[in-house]
Amino acid sequence: DTAVSQTPKYLVTQMGNDKSIKCEQNLGHDTMYWYKQDSKKFLKIMFSYNNKELIINETVPNRFSPKSPDKAHLNLHINSLELGDSAVYFCASSHFDRDSYGYTFGSGTRLTVV
Amino acid sequence: SQQGEEDPQALSIQEGENATMNCSYKTSINNLQWYRQNSGRGLVHLILIRSNEREKHSGRLRVTLDTSKKSSSLLITASRAADTASYFCATDLATGGFKTIFGAGTRLFVKA
Repeated sequence: DTAVSQTPKYLVTQMGNDKSIKCEQNLGHDTMYWYKQDSKKFLKIMFSYNNKELIINETVPNRFSPKSPDKAHLNLHINSLELGDSAVYFCASSHFDRDSYGYTFGSGTRLTVV
Repeated sequence: SQQGEEDPQALSIQEGENATMNCSYKTSINNLQWYRQNSGRGLVHLILIRSNEREKHSGRLRVTLDTSKKSSSLLITASRAADTASYFCATDLATGGFKTIFGAGTRLFVKA
C-alpha cells in the first residue's frame, strides 16, 4: 500500500527517558514533516525536510532532534522526555510544490509521558 | 486569534442534512486545503483550492473560497453517519518560504 507509516502507534514512557518515532513514506514525495497535535487538536509544524535537508525548524526544544537518512524516511528522537511532551505526533509528506496535492499524513503516534 | 480558524467549533446534524463549515484566515494565501480526521487517525486530504479559484467540487463536497473576505466554506451534502469526524482547514501562506497553518477544526457529528 502507498502510504505514510509511522511507528509506534502508542508510546507510554517515564519522564526523563529518551524515545524515537519512525516514519517512512513510499509515495515518492521529496518533503517530509513532523507535526504535533495537542489536546485541543491544534496541529503545529515542528520540522520539515526536503530531500534530506532541514528546511523548517520551528521553535521546538532542542531535546527534539529529527533525522532523515534518505528522502523516504524522517525519524524523530526525543531526549529527556517531559510531561508536556505528551501529545499526538504526526508524520506527513508532500511534494515540495504543495500547490496541487496537499499533504499525506501518517496515522499518528500517541505519546504519553508519565 | 489564529490564521485558519474554523467555525463552528462543533456541529451536530441528522443524517441526510447538509453540513457547512467555515474557515477564516488573515494573510494572503497560495492555496487553502480541507482535511478530515477520524477519531484516533491521521488527517486525510479532501480538497485543495488555489487562490485564483472560487469553487471546487469533489463528490458530495463543495468548497468555496472568497479571497476578498479571506474565508472559505466546506459544504457536505446529504451527510452520512460515516462523515462524523473533525474537519480542518489549512492555509498555505503566500509569504516566501514554507508556511502552512492549520486551524483547530470543526467537530461534525452526524446522527443516524
